[in-house]
Parts: sequence; structure tokens; C-alpha cells
Amino acid sequence: DAGVIQSPRHEVTEMGQEVTLRCKPISGHNSLFWYRQTMMRGLELLIYFNNNVPIDDSGMPEDRFSAKMPNASFSTLKIQPSEPRDSAVYFCASSSSPGQEGYTFGSGTRLTVV
Amino acid sequence: GESVGLHLPTLSVQEGDNSIINCAYSNSASDYFIWYKQESGKGPQFIIDIRSNMDKRQGQRVTVLLNKTVKHLSLQIAATQPGDSAVYFCAENGQGNTPLVFGKGTRLSVIA
Repeated sequence: DAGVIQSPRHEVTEMGQEVTLRCKPISGHNSLFWYRQTMMRGLELLIYFNNNVPIDDSGMPEDRFSAKMPNASFSTLKIQPSEPRDSAVYFCASSSSPGQEGYTFGSGTRLTVV
Repeated sequence: GESVGLHLPTLSVQEGDNSIINCAYSNSASDYFIWYKQESGKGPQFIIDIRSNMDKRQGQRVTVLLNKTVKHLSLQIAATQPGDSAVYFCAENGQGNTPLVFGKGTRLSVIA
């Protein structure tokens, strides 16, 4: 298995633009998680899905953030409009269970909003 | 709220020595714990996990110890190597089958 695949690896965009981050989880994993990592706040859970259904989005910072999982092999995290404070590394992870098995993380997307 | 915390933000060890990275947790309902390693520019990588019905688990060069009495988790790395240099995170599941909550991380630097 190629692991969790995220794209793009790096994204530089101007403030106000829409940004879409993509994730392909490991086949057979039915839980998918979006995390944001910053020096100040560490790893923060933004949202997670179970069987393609959003379960908890309480970590999504604002309405500018949205996430979808149209099928078991694909998820997107969208920021519209983007702001400089959104600059961070965004990780996608997948697992066979939300809290009883380890997560496999992707390599992350480093987002810079200028 | 309850959270996972770390005693030491940075740790420097000589190559070949053993490393011990500590983590305190406050949620007594947590029953699953994991240690992750994150190298620069990469995503967190699973190292070892332990469930609350155990107090020790060993892997290759790594041992995780769980002390539920004082809510303490530690990761021991034997014969630390330069390739062990990374940030190490502990994580707990909080309660039941809820998502993992990660600590802030400890940076391990191995001195050759």
C-alpha cells in the first residue's frame, strides 16, 4: 500500500484565494482525519469522518473551512477565502478505528498564504 | 479540559545512550496510548502503542511504560542513534473510541 497520499505537498497562495487540499486514505480504513500543525498549537484535529460521514467538525476554525468525503478513497479540505493565519502544515490521517487503533499519516501539505 | 502534556520539551542524548521521553495524561478514562515520531518535513510515524490493560510493551529498541496510578506514559529508546533525532508525540484516545489527542511533542537530539 502506498500509504496516505496528500496533494499538493506545498501550496503558496495569495490571501483571499481558495485553497483545496486533497487526501487519499489507505484502502480499507474507514476513519479519516484532518489535522493542522503549527508551532504554537501543535497538532489540532480539525474534523474526522467515519464511513465517509463527518462525525465531529468542532475543530474547524471558521466557516471558511469545509471538508468533504464523497467516497471512501477521497477527501478534500477547502479554505475559502484563505488568510495568512491559515499558514500551517495540514495532515490527513486514516485508521480502521477513531480511537482504538493507530493512525497512518500522510506527508502533509505545507500551506503558505501571503 | 483534560489534555496530554509533556514534561520535557527538548532532550539531548549522546549516541549510544538510552533515551527516556515522558508524557503525563490527565484523562483517567483513556484506554489507548500511542507514541509517534516526526522527522523534519514528514508526517508523524507510528512507533508503538499500549492499551490500559498493560503496563509495559516492547518493540524493536523501544519500550513503552504505562503507569495508570500516576497517569504517566514513557518511551524508552535503547542505544539511541542519530536517526532517532526527531520530535516525539504521545497521544491518548480520551475516552472510548474517540479521536486521538496529541501532546505538544518533545524534540530529541542525538549528539554523535
